[in-house]
Amino acid sequence: GAVVSQHPSRVICKSGTSVKIECRSLDFQATTMFWYRQFPKQSLMLMATSNEGSKATYEQGVEKDKFLINHASLTLSTLTVTSAHPEDSSFYICSAPRQGLGLFFGSGTQLSVL
Amino acid sequence: LAKTTQPISMDSYEGQEVNITCSHNNIATNDYITWYQQFPSQGPRFIIQGYKTKVTNEVASLFIPADRKSSTLSLPRVSLSDTAVYYCLVGDNQAGTALIFGKGTTLSVSS
Repeated sequence: GAVVSQHPSRVICKSGTSVKIECRSLDFQATTMFWYRQFPKQSLMLMATSNEGSKATYEQGVEKDKFLINHASLTLSTLTVTSAHPEDSSFYICSAPRQGLGLFFGSGTQLSVL
Repeated sequence: LAKTTQPISMDSYEGQEVNITCSHNNIATNDYITWYQQFPSQGPRFIIQGYKTKVTNEVASLFIPADRKSSTLSLPRVSLSDTAVYYCLVGDNQAGTALIFGKGTTLSVSS
């Protein structure tokens, strides 16, 4: 079964609104989680590293004020896309590392901004 | 973080064995090699992981030569449902390390 749960799987929103995506590690704690973005027919691109109890670290070119990350507990990280625009439409995927076993991924969230 | 290089695409027929090779010339001592499978609109799914020599599980085998500068994912007797993108990634298993994705290999299986 899935070890990382991500919700929602699909969301459609109007331009200018904010969207929150949740990522939960099931049956294990994750002090660190990772957020990726994937455009059609492209590979996954690392956006940011979510750290429990501290600020997230963002990859170069990713706007921290646009993509708000909160890692409030050892099993939950959230990504909020603020003031979404059509160019933010993409497939967002979270992942959590399980010590000694590697990285496990959520099922992804397809965001469509109208 | 080690960079990986894979063929962009491969074609196969049902029932054949498929071998996908990945090169990772600057792999570090602490790095493991992990392969993932991704279907459209889904998150990557773990296939297999290894450090050296050979690893086998119920779905695949992973061959790693002694110098660890490459690895080969072997899928026995593929079926149509194995059509997907396959990613080879290298990195250590420490909790704070992200994995950087290369372009992956698109495998197309035909009947």
